[in-house]
Amino acid sequence: QQQVKQSPQSLIVQKGGIPIINCAYENTAFDYFPWYQQFPGKGPALLIAIRPDVSEKKEGRFTISFNKSAKQFSLHIMDSQPGDSATYFCVGGASGSRLTFGEGTQLTVNP
Amino acid sequence: KAGVTQTPRYLIKTRGQQVTLSCSPISGHRSVSWYQQTPGQGLQFLFEYFSETQRNKGNFPGRFSGRQFSNSRSEMNVSTLELGDSALYLCASSWGTTYNEQFFGPGTRLTVL
Repeated sequence: QQQVKQSPQSLIVQKGGIPIINCAYENTAFDYFPWYQQFPGKGPALLIAIRPDVSEKKEGRFTISFNKSAKQFSLHIMDSQPGDSATYFCVGGASGSRLTFGEGTQLTVNP
Repeated sequence: KAGVTQTPRYLIKTRGQQVTLSCSPISGHRSVSWYQQTPGQGLQFLFEYFSETQRNKGNFPGRFSGRQFSNSRSEMNVSTLELGDSALYLCASSWGTTYNEQFFGPGTRLTVL
């Protein structure tokens, strides 16, 4: 019940494309859904986060869509750039509990 | 403001040995979490310490242990190393609640031969 399922495992798009990464969770106690971005040789860093009281959150070119009834959420990257090439992790969190990371999606944006 | 530092950055050990990894959190952060990262497995949570107390624990064998000192610095110890322990070990610090951003260090790459 603690798992966060993430897909796809890897994704290749052309510059300007809109990669979409999908996640699903089972733990209904989760009330915090951050996304972390990791570049090679670096630790993950917070990209954007959403709480279940909103269905969408946008920060720059990054948008999270959240469907509470389906227990699913996704990350869209508008006008993707080669610099967006990284591994992306969706995460579920509940108060007092540790964060649960998805398996990660390796995104490659070709020039 | 200095980020999270981890030492050493790289480590090579042989099976059966033990290892200690160190993490210095961002100044003022009281929570330190440890994760194991391997290809295809994502980030597996090991444990979290807050004010010198273990607050959460993942599903790892007892060979994995940790502690936190009064200055919030943390150490992680793995005894009787196995080949499968080869991984990137990441430390993250935060102010302390689930909703606070976790700041990750660059990790320690452990190779067990």
